[in-house]
Amino acid sequence: QSMLTQPPSASGTPGQRVTISCSGSSSNIGSHAVNWYQHLPGTAPKLLIYDNDQRPSGVPDRFSGSKSGTSASLAISGLQSEDEADYYCAAWDGSLNGVVFGGGTKLTVL
Amino acid sequence: EVQLLESGGGLVQPGGSLRLSCAGSGFTFSNYGMSWVRQAPGKGLEWVSGIGSGGARIDYADSVRGRFTISRDNSKNTLYLQMNSLRAEDTALYFCARRRTMSGGFSGMDVWGQGTTVTVSS
Repeated sequence: QSMLTQPPSASGTPGQRVTISCSGSSSNIGSHAVNWYQHLPGTAPKLLIYDNDQRPSGVPDRFSGSKSGTSASLAISGLQSEDEADYYCAAWDGSLNGVVFGGGTKLTVL
Repeated sequence: EVQLLESGGGLVQPGGSLRLSCAGSGFTFSNYGMSWVRQAPGKGLEWVSGIGSGGARIDYADSVRGRFTISRDNSKNTLYLQMNSLRAEDTALYFCARRRTMSGGFSGMDVWGQGTTVTVSS
């Protein structure tokens, strides 16, 4: 199953703004909505962003998503220590008839 | 409270079989599509399979097609994953997850269980 492409790591200091990119193709991001998940290993992943830029209730507005063409981004502003986690993008792939995930980005708060 | 609880994981030899279960509560289980997602040790999340609310629409990742079978029993609010011909590379923490919307295109998975561990080793 093909994966979406994310940087393996990102970092920032408390209060900073960081962005995580996600690159795909015309069969996934280019034609379907992107969602983002926050995950601490060994726990249940948490939906952060759905439909490219929508936040579920309870997700702080420090988290925002965007999409352009076959790429998407997650931005986290006002970085906090509790934001340290793995972040995954995902989208439906119409060629594979399945969900494809990015490889994940480990965010470190310095 | 909306919850998903997986069970059925364990240690199995290569070539063996295992059936995972996922019990849903706190919501109308029969209204939602469901998925299985796994995370191998030290690796990222990998979607395994999905099933529509009524069980008619079923999809699999290439890595498990022909070996795994997803099913559901809406009368028991339970999702299943029958895993046959297991390989070492199937070793992972397996999560079940609920699709966010009851209809329309895929819009994310908003409720996840805590996972059940499958280890394939001799």
